[in-house]
Amino acid sequence: AQSVTQLGSHVSVSEGALVLLRCNYSSSVPPYLFWYVQYPNQGLQLLLKYTSAATLVKGINGFEAEFKKSETSFHLTKPSAHMSDAAEYFCAVSEGGSNYKLTFGKGTLLTVNP
Amino acid sequence: DGGITQSPKYLFRKEGQNVTLSCEQNLNHDAMYWYRQDPGQGLRLIYYSQIVNDFQKGDIAEGYSVSREKKESFPLTVTSAQKNPTAFYLCASSMRGAYNEQFFGPGTRLTVL
Repeated sequence: AQSVTQLGSHVSVSEGALVLLRCNYSSSVPPYLFWYVQYPNQGLQLLLKYTSAATLVKGINGFEAEFKKSETSFHLTKPSAHMSDAAEYFCAVSEGGSNYKLTFGKGTLLTVNP
Repeated sequence: DGGITQSPKYLFRKEGQNVTLSCEQNLNHDAMYWYRQDPGQGLRLIYYSQIVNDFQKGDIAEGYSVSREKKESFPLTVTSAQKNPTAFYLCASSMRGAYNEQFFGPGTRLTVL
């Protein structure tokens, strides 16, 4: 069965600092991986996805993530945090095949301090 | 504009009453999903449907029911059997294929008094 672990339920950074949100997955097959962002009381918006093409994936709003099979990781980074990046971030995995289900991590709340 | 609509945004019900949450999409997606979100718990899958007139239980289906009579619509009923129904409910849809992302609606916050 697939699973996702997001290390750190709350990450706090200063404006302009590096953002690093960690995601480790467990999957019996090569996975598809996704990062979503959620602003308060809203739905989720896709930031980026990995579908077995390039291991370094670039997304919206300056975010990127690198798929590392040996570490079973898909960490999300952004070089310089903006106040508008404050939100909750979710990592999700799909094992593919005929089952389209996603398994989500529990989320990481990002706070950006001025 | 293409997208997913959920209504209402906020819903209040008395304990013991059934309540139906609406989800409509005009993205021509085959698959639709319902998730429940509680603080610190992430998203948990309630039900999903990959084609009209067919649906499967997710991880926490007890106390919920769904129907999929039209491709565009996937309503969720929270029954009186659901022991702790107060939560934020999210509907999503996607194209066929596990490599396709899910698109989410704005959510409905249900409070049972």
